[in-house]
Amino acid sequence: AAGVIQSPRHLIKEKRETATLKCYPIPRHDTVYWYQQGPGQDPQFLISFYEKMQSDKGSIPDRFSAQQFSDYHSELNMSSLELGDSALYFCASSLRGYLNTEAFFGQGTRLTVV
Amino acid sequence: GENVEQHPSTLSVQEGDSAVIKCTYSDSASNYFPWYKQELGKRPQLIIDIRSNVGEKKDQRIAVTLNKTAKHFSLHITETQPEDSAVYFCAATTGGGADGLTFGKGTHLIIQP
Repeated sequence: AAGVIQSPRHLIKEKRETATLKCYPIPRHDTVYWYQQGPGQDPQFLISFYEKMQSDKGSIPDRFSAQQFSDYHSELNMSSLELGDSALYFCASSLRGYLNTEAFFGQGTRLTVV
Repeated sequence: GENVEQHPSTLSVQEGDSAVIKCTYSDSASNYFPWYKQELGKRPQLIIDIRSNVGEKKDQRIAVTLNKTAKHFSLHITETQPEDSAVYFCAATTGGGADGLTFGKGTHLIIQP
Protein backbone atom coordinates (compact mmCIF):
# COMPACT_ATOMS: atom_id res chain seq x y z
CA ALA A 1 0.00 0.00 0.00
CA ALA A 2 1.17 3.53 -0.72
CA GLY A 3 2.57 5.40 2.25
CA VAL A 4 3.38 8.99 3.02
CA ILE A 5 6.34 10.10 0.93
CA GLN A 6 8.73 12.77 2.12
CA SER A 7 11.57 14.34 0.22
CA PRO A 8 14.38 14.78 0.56
CA ARG A 9 15.31 12.15 3.15
CA HIS A 10 18.39 14.06 4.21
CA LEU A 11 19.28 17.72 3.87
CA ILE A 12 22.29 19.70 4.97
CA LYS A 13 22.07 23.47 5.03
CA GLU A 14 24.15 26.30 6.39
CA LYS A 15 22.93 28.83 8.91
CA ARG A 16 20.70 31.52 7.46
CA GLU A 17 19.93 29.45 4.39
CA THR A 18 16.47 28.34 3.26
CA ALA A 19 15.09 24.81 3.03
CA THR A 20 11.97 23.33 1.50
CA LEU A 21 10.62 19.98 2.63
CA LYS A 22 8.00 18.15 0.62
CA CYS A 23 5.31 15.72 1.66
CA TYR A 24 3.07 13.55 -0.49
CA PRO A 25 0.17 12.13 1.53
CA ILE A 26 -1.44 8.75 1.11
CA PRO A 27 -3.83 8.87 -1.87
CA ARG A 28 -7.29 10.15 -0.88
CA HIS A 29 -6.01 11.52 2.42
CA ASP A 30 -7.10 15.13 2.74
CA THR A 31 -5.22 16.17 5.88
CA VAL A 32 -1.51 16.75 6.32
CA TYR A 33 0.41 17.39 9.55
CA TRP A 34 3.99 18.51 10.12
CA TYR A 35 6.01 17.53 13.19
CA GLN A 36 9.53 18.39 14.32
CA GLN A 37 11.48 15.90 16.43
CA GLY A 38 14.78 16.87 17.99
CA PRO A 39 17.30 14.23 19.14
CA GLY A 40 15.85 12.27 22.06
CA GLN A 41 12.72 14.41 22.04
CA ASP A 42 9.07 13.78 21.40
CA PRO A 43 7.55 14.98 18.13
CA GLN A 44 6.35 18.56 18.33
CA PHE A 45 3.33 19.52 16.26
CA LEU A 46 4.00 22.40 13.88
CA ILE A 47 0.99 22.86 11.62
CA SER A 48 -1.78 21.00 9.80
CA PHE A 49 -3.85 21.46 6.68
CA TYR A 50 -7.24 20.15 5.72
CA GLU A 51 -8.47 20.52 2.16
CA LYS A 52 -5.68 22.98 1.41
CA MET A 53 -6.60 25.28 4.28
CA GLN A 54 -4.59 25.67 7.45
CA SER A 55 -6.44 23.79 10.14
CA ASP A 56 -4.39 23.84 13.33
CA LYS A 57 -1.20 25.56 14.35
CA GLY A 58 1.30 24.42 16.92
CA SER A 59 4.79 25.56 17.77
CA ILE A 60 5.79 26.60 14.27
CA PRO A 61 8.34 29.45 14.26
CA ASP A 62 7.51 32.58 12.27
CA ARG A 63 10.52 31.76 10.04
CA PHE A 64 8.66 28.69 8.82
CA SER A 65 5.66 28.59 6.52
CA ALA A 66 3.74 25.78 4.91
CA GLN A 67 0.99 25.17 2.45
CA GLN A 68 -1.03 22.38 0.94
CA PHE A 69 -1.50 22.33 -2.80
CA SER A 70 -4.39 21.32 -5.03
CA ASP A 71 -2.99 17.78 -5.36
CA TYR A 72 -2.86 17.62 -1.53
CA HIS A 73 0.90 17.52 -1.31
CA SER A 74 2.39 19.90 1.20
CA GLU A 75 5.60 21.87 1.50
CA LEU A 76 7.29 23.22 4.60
CA ASN A 77 9.44 26.26 3.88
CA MET A 78 12.09 27.14 6.41
CA SER A 79 14.04 30.38 6.18
CA SER A 80 16.92 31.93 8.12
CA LEU A 81 17.87 28.48 9.36
CA GLU A 82 19.40 28.20 12.81
CA LEU A 83 21.50 25.43 14.34
CA GLY A 84 18.55 24.56 16.58
CA ASP A 85 16.44 23.73 13.55
CA SER A 86 18.45 20.55 13.08
CA ALA A 87 15.92 17.77 13.62
CA LEU A 88 13.84 15.07 12.03
CA TYR A 89 10.82 16.54 10.30
CA PHE A 90 7.88 14.21 9.91
CA CYS A 91 4.86 14.66 7.76
CA ALA A 92 1.73 12.64 8.53
CA SER A 93 -1.54 12.30 6.67
CA SER A 94 -5.03 11.19 7.54
CA LEU A 95 -8.53 11.07 6.20
CA ARG A 96 -10.55 13.51 8.21
CA GLY A 97 -13.87 12.24 9.35
CA TYR A 98 -16.31 12.89 12.13
CA LEU A 99 -13.98 11.13 14.50
CA ASN A 100 -10.24 11.52 14.49
CA THR A 101 -8.63 8.91 12.32
CA GLU A 102 -5.21 7.39 12.37
CA ALA A 103 -2.39 9.60 11.18
CA PHE A 104 0.24 7.77 9.13
CA PHE A 105 3.75 9.15 9.35
CA GLY A 106 6.24 9.46 6.54
CA GLN A 107 9.84 8.35 6.96
CA GLY A 108 10.93 11.86 7.78
CA THR A 109 13.46 14.36 6.51
CA ARG A 110 16.61 14.69 8.57
CA LEU A 111 17.68 18.33 8.42
CA THR A 112 21.14 19.24 9.58
CA VAL A 113 22.04 22.91 9.87
CA VAL A 114 25.76 23.63 10.03
CA GLY B 1 -3.27 23.95 25.27
CA GLU B 2 -3.10 20.26 25.91
CA ASN B 3 -0.34 18.84 28.11
CA VAL B 4 0.50 15.13 28.18
CA GLU B 5 2.63 13.61 30.92
CA GLN B 6 4.13 10.15 30.40
CA HIS B 7 5.76 7.78 32.89
CA PRO B 8 8.17 6.15 33.24
CA SER B 9 10.81 7.61 30.95
CA THR B 10 12.65 4.28 30.93
CA LEU B 11 11.23 0.83 31.62
CA SER B 12 13.25 -2.37 31.72
CA VAL B 13 11.43 -5.70 31.94
CA GLN B 14 12.36 -9.34 31.54
CA GLU B 15 11.32 -11.03 28.34
CA GLY B 16 7.92 -12.59 28.84
CA ASP B 17 6.89 -10.17 31.57
CA SER B 18 4.32 -7.40 31.20
CA ALA B 19 5.02 -3.71 30.69
CA VAL B 20 2.75 -0.81 31.63
CA ILE B 21 3.19 2.79 30.52
CA LYS B 22 0.98 5.53 31.92
CA CYS B 23 -0.06 8.92 30.58
CA THR B 24 -2.16 11.77 31.88
CA TYR B 25 -3.64 14.62 29.89
CA SER B 26 -4.89 18.02 30.89
CA ASP B 27 -7.64 18.97 28.46
CA SER B 28 -10.93 17.25 29.23
CA ALA B 29 -12.00 17.94 25.64
CA SER B 30 -9.39 15.51 24.29
CA ASN B 31 -11.16 12.68 22.54
CA TYR B 32 -8.56 10.59 20.73
CA PHE B 33 -5.58 8.86 22.32
CA PRO B 34 -3.13 6.99 20.07
CA TRP B 35 0.01 5.15 21.08
CA TYR B 36 3.02 5.15 18.79
CA LYS B 37 6.09 2.94 18.72
CA GLN B 38 9.28 4.47 17.38
CA GLU B 39 12.56 2.74 16.69
CA LEU B 40 15.74 4.79 16.53
CA GLY B 41 15.77 7.10 13.51
CA LYS B 42 12.51 5.73 12.15
CA ARG B 43 8.99 7.01 11.87
CA PRO B 44 6.45 6.73 14.68
CA GLN B 45 4.09 3.85 13.98
CA LEU B 46 0.63 3.56 15.47
CA ILE B 47 0.23 0.43 17.58
CA ILE B 48 -3.16 1.06 19.15
CA ASP B 49 -5.57 3.92 19.76
CA ILE B 50 -8.65 4.59 21.83
CA ARG B 51 -11.43 7.12 21.59
CA SER B 52 -13.12 8.88 24.47
CA ASN B 53 -16.32 6.85 24.18
CA VAL B 54 -14.46 3.59 24.93
CA GLY B 55 -12.86 2.52 28.21
CA GLU B 56 -10.64 -0.30 27.01
CA LYS B 57 -9.33 -1.74 23.77
CA LYS B 58 -7.23 -4.82 23.14
CA ASP B 59 -5.24 -6.06 20.18
CA GLN B 60 -3.44 -9.35 20.79
CA ARG B 61 -0.66 -8.60 23.34
CA ILE B 62 -1.41 -4.90 23.50
CA ALA B 63 -4.20 -3.19 25.40
CA VAL B 64 -5.05 0.39 26.25
CA THR B 65 -7.30 1.64 29.03
CA LEU B 66 -8.81 5.09 29.38
CA ASN B 67 -10.16 6.76 32.51
CA LYS B 68 -11.83 9.99 31.40
CA THR B 69 -12.69 11.07 34.91
CA ALA B 70 -9.10 10.88 36.04
CA LYS B 71 -7.81 11.95 32.62
CA HIS B 72 -5.32 9.16 32.28
CA PHE B 73 -4.72 6.30 29.89
CA SER B 74 -2.34 3.40 29.96
CA LEU B 75 -0.64 0.99 27.57
CA HIS B 76 -0.27 -2.62 28.60
CA ILE B 77 2.01 -5.03 26.76
CA THR B 78 1.90 -8.66 27.82
CA GLU B 79 4.36 -11.47 27.09
CA THR B 80 7.00 -8.98 26.03
CA GLN B 81 9.43 -9.96 23.29
CA PRO B 82 12.82 -8.53 22.27
CA GLU B 83 11.24 -6.81 19.26
CA ASP B 84 9.07 -4.78 21.63
CA SER B 85 12.18 -2.79 22.58
CA ALA B 86 11.64 0.78 21.32
CA VAL B 87 10.47 4.21 22.44
CA TYR B 88 6.73 4.42 23.01
CA PHE B 89 4.82 7.69 22.81
CA CYS B 90 1.33 8.39 24.01
CA ALA B 91 -0.57 11.27 22.46
CA ALA B 92 -3.83 13.14 22.76
CA THR B 93 -5.82 15.48 20.60
CA THR B 94 -8.94 17.59 20.92
CA GLY B 95 -11.53 18.95 18.59
CA GLY B 96 -11.77 18.16 14.93
CA GLY B 97 -10.07 15.54 12.86
CA ALA B 98 -7.25 17.76 11.68
CA ASP B 99 -5.96 18.91 15.04
CA GLY B 100 -2.38 18.08 15.80
CA LEU B 101 -1.33 15.49 18.34
CA THR B 102 0.27 16.44 21.63
CA PHE B 103 2.81 13.77 22.50
CA GLY B 104 4.13 12.63 25.83
CA LYS B 105 7.90 12.66 26.33
CA GLY B 106 8.22 8.98 25.51
CA THR B 107 9.13 5.78 27.34
CA HIS B 108 12.21 3.82 26.38
CA LEU B 109 11.17 0.20 26.80
CA ILE B 110 14.00 -2.27 27.18
CA ILE B 111 13.29 -5.99 27.05
CA GLN B 112 15.95 -7.96 28.87
CA PRO B 113 16.57 -11.46 27.44
